[in-house]
Amino acid sequence: DTAVSQTPKYLVTQMGNDKSIKCEQNLGHDTMYWYKQDSKKFLKIMFSYNNKELIINETVPNRFSPKSPDKAHLNLHINSLELGDSAVYFCASTPGHKGTQYFGPGTRLLVL
Amino acid sequence: AQTVTQSQPEMSVQEAETVTLSCTYDTSESDYYLFWYKQPPSRQMILVIRQEAYKQQNATENRFSVNFQKAAKSFSLKISDSQLGDAAMYFCAYRANRDDKIIFGKGTRLHILP
Repeated sequence: DTAVSQTPKYLVTQMGNDKSIKCEQNLGHDTMYWYKQDSKKFLKIMFSYNNKELIINETVPNRFSPKSPDKAHLNLHINSLELGDSAVYFCASTPGHKGTQYFGPGTRLLVL
Repeated sequence: AQTVTQSQPEMSVQEAETVTLSCTYDTSESDYYLFWYKQPPSRQMILVIRQEAYKQQNATENRFSVNFQKAAKSFSLKISDSQLGDAAMYFCAYRANRDDKIIFGKGTRLHILP
């Protein structure tokens, strides 16, 4: 009965590969987010979708492409992985535009 | 631009004592929300407490309370009767009511000394 889940929890890959991280929420929330937490623990928003529509797109390389097949899912695909992409990626969701964000457990990505 | 500043990168407190974590923010908005999130070693981001800017009363959740000073744009977190399980990174965060984006501070690592 996990509220916001992410798969995988850990991802180790080589530079240049393409990988995806999946996020699902069973809270019935309309809005979902991707955050990146770097090695210094700084959390920065990357994307936000509301009802499958992109509403926030921060300055993120276009190697990162979010996809929302339905409002319960927001996946993150990363092409041509670079060393600097190593981080923890968090998915989150909120009910509508307002309200508290509920976070997933995070995906630790390590690019070698 | 909105910013959130946590001036204490690390703090330590003796078990059972009280500790206050500082947070200041900058915004031109009048309607917004403030949050404290806890991130233990498990990495999970856990909401500790939330404050609506229009409410004058400080939010409390059991041993956790805030001191919200709207004019000073200050939002500190007080943890009473500190427990070993309180050891974590604590993030202060802001969101304008008209916005979807949450802005996080850089965090304060809290150590609990037995």
